Amino acid sequence: DTAVSQTPKYLVTQMGNDKSIKCEQNLGHDTMYWYKQDSKKFLKIMFSYNNKELIINETVPNRFSPKSPDKAHLNLHINSLELGDSAVYFCASSQGTGGGVWEQFFGPGTRLTVL
Amino acid sequence: GENVEQHPSTLSVQEGDSAVIKCTYSDSASNYFPWYKQELGKGPQLIIDIRSNVGEKKDQRIAVTLNKTAKHFSLHITETQPEDSAVYFCAATLKAAGNKLTFGGGTRVLVKP
Repeated sequence: DTAVSQTPKYLVTQMGNDKSIKCEQNLGHDTMYWYKQDSKKFLKIMFSYNNKELIINETVPNRFSPKSPDKAHLNLHINSLELGDSAVYFCASSQGTGGGVWEQFFGPGTRLTVL
Repeated sequence: GENVEQHPSTLSVQEGDSAVIKCTYSDSASNYFPWYKQELGKGPQLIIDIRSNVGEKKDQRIAVTLNKTAKHFSLHITETQPEDSAVYFCAATLKAAGNKLTFGGGTRVLVKP
């Protein structure tokens, strides 16, 4: 069984379009994250949600909007896509943000290519 | 905020030899240090982690050491095998920062048969 799943795996689109990436985890975790990995493999956090509440919001353009309908899902919507948005986007989840288990489990990634 | 530096960026070793990757962090309050392995086309996978109250941890061929005074930690892989070839990331996190992971730049490890 897949622990953290993302759809789609590949996304190719034109500049200016709006697209969404979906993430689901079946681990029963309370916290979910979005990371961006650029062409040089650098991984950087974008957002984090705990029980549907936004707790980390890094310096990310307003064109990116996360949405968490429930604690098992965290979707990422991107408006007016730009060339620089091309990257691999990873969803992750963890048990909590405070004491206890902090291990983050990553999904397989969504490779976004903006033409 | 936290800053994590990782070296080397690439590492080529002969099968059976050891590999060592080093990381330094900037925030002395960081208290959790995981290491992730990323294979081609896949997401990062946790291979070992260490908390700030422990100096060393070992799991079969993998070990991690932490020096809080110097603010650096290292990953040691012994008896390397071709399947160890991957990109390895160190990270640091602050409990107070909502479990936010700050990653190093990654090390591409190639194990030559």
